Amino acid sequence: DAGVIQSPRHEVTEMGQEVTLRCKPISGHDYLFWYRQTMMRGLELLIYFNNNVPIDDSGMPEDRFSAKMPNASFSTLKIQPSEPRDSAVYFCASSPGEYGNQPQHFGDGTRLSIL
Amino acid sequence: AQTVTQSQPEMSVQEAETVTLSCTYDTSENNYYLFWYKQPPSRQMILVIRQEAYKQQNATENRFSVNFQKAAKSFSLKISDSQLGDTAMYFCAFADYQGGSEKLVFGKGTKLTVNP
Repeated sequence: DAGVIQSPRHEVTEMGQEVTLRCKPISGHDYLFWYRQTMMRGLELLIYFNNNVPIDDSGMPEDRFSAKMPNASFSTLKIQPSEPRDSAVYFCASSPGEYGNQPQHFGDGTRLSIL
Repeated sequence: AQTVTQSQPEMSVQEAETVTLSCTYDTSENNYYLFWYKQPPSRQMILVIRQEAYKQQNATENRFSVNFQKAAKSFSLKISDSQLGDTAMYFCAFADYQGGSEKLVFGKGTKLTVNP
């Protein structure tokens, strides 16, 4: 089975540019999560969706960040305008729910560098 | 709010030896789940082991086992017969799923190096 697929794997862009990160969850998984990982703050949950509906976006740092899930097989995380402090590894994860019986499966992450 | 603490930023162990990584958490809930994830240099996040709080028996997965002490809110990971491929960051995570929430709370991680 294909796992969670993220693209791009690496992104380097200049401050002020729009950045779009993409995620394809595992087929049949109803939950999709976006995380950010930095040395200082560790792994933080930004937002998660259930059946394409955002459930909790309390971790989204500010209005420059937005996430969408137009259908069950695709999600985007957008940063506009980007800033150097947004440099991090961004992970997407999915799960079928069912609480801890089915834990989250992570993608390989996107390493984002804002110059 | 729930918190997860990993007090050992870095650890090292000789190949074939045993190492224990510590994790403590804070919650007022009685039913919850605990996880250990491994992140090798390749950056993948890989589930190592899972423990359900209502189960008293400690979870085991091959060379990986946990020591779950519910009263002490402690959840340590023991790696037996360490292998070079175990070199990675290890993250402890907590979820209580209260109110239908699927949120995981992660600790800051422990960097484990297995030396030949």
